Amino acid sequence: KNQVEQSPQSLIILEGKNCTLQCNYTVSPFSNLRWYKQDTGRGPVSLTIMTFSENTKSNGRYTATLDADTKQSSLHITASQLSDSASYICVVRWMDSSYKLIFGSGTRLLVRP
Amino acid sequence: SQTIHQWPATLVQPVGSPLSLECTVEGTSNPNLYWYRQAAGRGLQLLFYSVGIGQISSEVPQNLSASRPQDRQFILSSKKLLLSDSGFYLCAWRDRNSYNEQFFGPGTRLTVL
Repeated sequence: KNQVEQSPQSLIILEGKNCTLQCNYTVSPFSNLRWYKQDTGRGPVSLTIMTFSENTKSNGRYTATLDADTKQSSLHITASQLSDSASYICVVRWMDSSYKLIFGSGTRLLVRP
Repeated sequence: SQTIHQWPATLVQPVGSPLSLECTVEGTSNPNLYWYRQAAGRGLQLLFYSVGIGQISSEVPQNLSASRPQDRQFILSSKKLLLSDSGFYLCAWRDRNSYNEQFFGPGTRLTVL
């Protein structure tokens, strides 16, 4: 069964600290993996997209890694800011369909001053 | 630049009442359009997608329906709401020539009482 699982479910860190969010998937075959940031009550906004041939991609203080062999991805946030408080969603595009995205349930991050 | 709008932003409706949520996209032509529902603590669930005017595909059997009367307009409807229809509804669009990016709207928070 195609699944995307994220850990931890929630995380609290102090402002300025780094953190790493995990994503494991069983989707096969897959085309690309995305990380989205979703502020409370808002729509998700894309942070990074990686194809199966890429193993790292950065967007400012956000760095995503991908290991297609172990089917794992991580999102590393450096020098966290209060505005990083949000849910982070891992999404995998299933290659068997032109439209099918498989969503993780997200990690809820709270950055405290 | 492209923008996506949803309204209303929030809605409280009694059980058994009808529903109409609207999504419009600007700045692009012939997009693929999607309706998702997000329940608390769960991943986004694809409800409907459309590849053109009048073309609707349903992902899951349910109490809702969708229509696309114009190229950049996507409507989610129900004749009689159920309590289980409560949730956060997100519309998204994708350039049909690109498999990489889906852009989400701001969402509608629906509460059925």
